[in-house]
Amino acid sequence: AAGVIQSPRHLIKEKRETATLKCYPIPRHDTVYWYQQGPGQDPQFLISFYEKMQSDKGSIPDRFSAQQFSDYHSELNMSSLELGDSALYFCASSLAKAGGGYNEQFFGPGTRLTVL
Amino acid sequence: KNEVEQSPQNLTAQEGEFITINCSYSVGISALHWLQQHPGGGIVSLFMLSSGKKKHGRLIATINIQEKHSSLHITASHPRDSAVYICAARVRGSQGNLIFGKGTKLSVKP
Repeated sequence: AAGVIQSPRHLIKEKRETATLKCYPIPRHDTVYWYQQGPGQDPQFLISFYEKMQSDKGSIPDRFSAQQFSDYHSELNMSSLELGDSALYFCASSLAKAGGGYNEQFFGPGTRLTVL
Repeated sequence: KNEVEQSPQNLTAQEGEFITINCSYSVGISALHWLQQHPGGGIVSLFMLSSGKKKHGRLIATINIQEKHSSLHITASHPRDSAVYICAARVRGSQGNLIFGKGTKLSVKP
């Protein structure tokens, strides 16, 4: 079965550079979540999208932005990168239930971003 | 105090042992997830629970909504079960995003 795809899997950037992370949800999934996991930390929710609209916002810095496209893939854009942005960035997808509610989230393999 | 707490933080077991990992949460939830994360970083969803008990192979997950507590059990543990197990809560009324526990690092020795 198709899983959540993230690209790139690894990314190395310099301080103050920009980065774009991509997430391709499981086919027919309409909801995408982004999480950030710093070294030795538990994942923290950044932002989510449902049907191409932002549905919730967590601890996402103002330097970051994200969107979900018509094919439901999502991109996380990160500007003015800082050393502290080095982390594993997970995307998860799910299918919203009719009438509200949420199904299980399926996680991608993550993008490991290193900022030098 | 974290909204989702796990215990123990680290767990070492001998192959074949029965393992229990506990999760307590302080918020109202619509569902609770148990996730497995291997050293490479990838996260695999094991269970999503809103009540009762679920079983998949050697893994069993239970939840007590009244006590705000969930457990993950592994029967006949095997070295390949070595991983970090994470409990994550989907807060009631949220848009589905998860609040994660700190994880339990399990090491199963042959």
